[in-house]
Amino acid sequence: EVQLVESGGGLVQPGGSLRLSCAASGFTFSSYWMSWVRQAPGKGLEWVANIKQDGSEKYHVDSVKGRFTISRDNSKNSLYLQMNSLRAEDTAIYYCVRGSLAGSPPRLHYDYWGQGTLVTVSS
Amino acid sequence: DIQMTQSPSSLSASVGDSVTITCRASQNIIRYLNWYQQKPGKAPSLLIYAASNLHGGVPSSFIGSGSGTDFTLTISSLQPEDFATYYCQQSYSYPISFGQGTRLEVK
Repeated sequence: EVQLVESGGGLVQPGGSLRLSCAASGFTFSSYWMSWVRQAPGKGLEWVANIKQDGSEKYHVDSVKGRFTISRDNSKNSLYLQMNSLRAEDTAIYYCVRGSLAGSPPRLHYDYWGQGTLVTVSS
Repeated sequence: DIQMTQSPSSLSASVGDSVTITCRASQNIIRYLNWYQQKPGKAPSLLIYAASNLHGGVPSSFIGSGSGTDFTLTISSLQPEDFATYYCQQSYSYPISFGQGTRLEVK
């Protein structure tokens, strides 16, 4: 059974940092693109970042470029999101998501989602 | 950037009804369009990928169609568990983008 379990969320002050982690199990982690998708309270879904199987390619939405970095450790079956210079508008549930390709990248569909971890940026 | 627009934003229907949700892309995305369902307090789940392919375990009452810029998700014979919010998502190019969502409510 595919499982994605996020951790690391919490309350942080504007300008602060957090590192989200996602522990993956039930599939060959190193064979899949992985992603972070977020959802602000009461709002829709927003793609945040993608990372290739070997970590050699990373893509981030413009609103987080230079502040957030996606990474992975295939030896630990883990995905990460380092978030720096956090802003109030980054407040959201952050989902760890597995991406399956339906063509050449970025033609991913997100077939498994974690339960999410809440990040609240507030003073 | 590709903008995804869903209509309607909300929809009321009854058990047994058939409903259709539309998703329009601001440019040609061929068939790189996915649909998700989200229930309150839960993570989204994949329904349809590449416009018309049913994800494993999803009932055949969910039907996706379309290509280019116009896509539809049809749910035939609504069941109580189908009342949820639905999102489309394009994966044709970066930045990946989602529609704003369609909330399907019980009439």
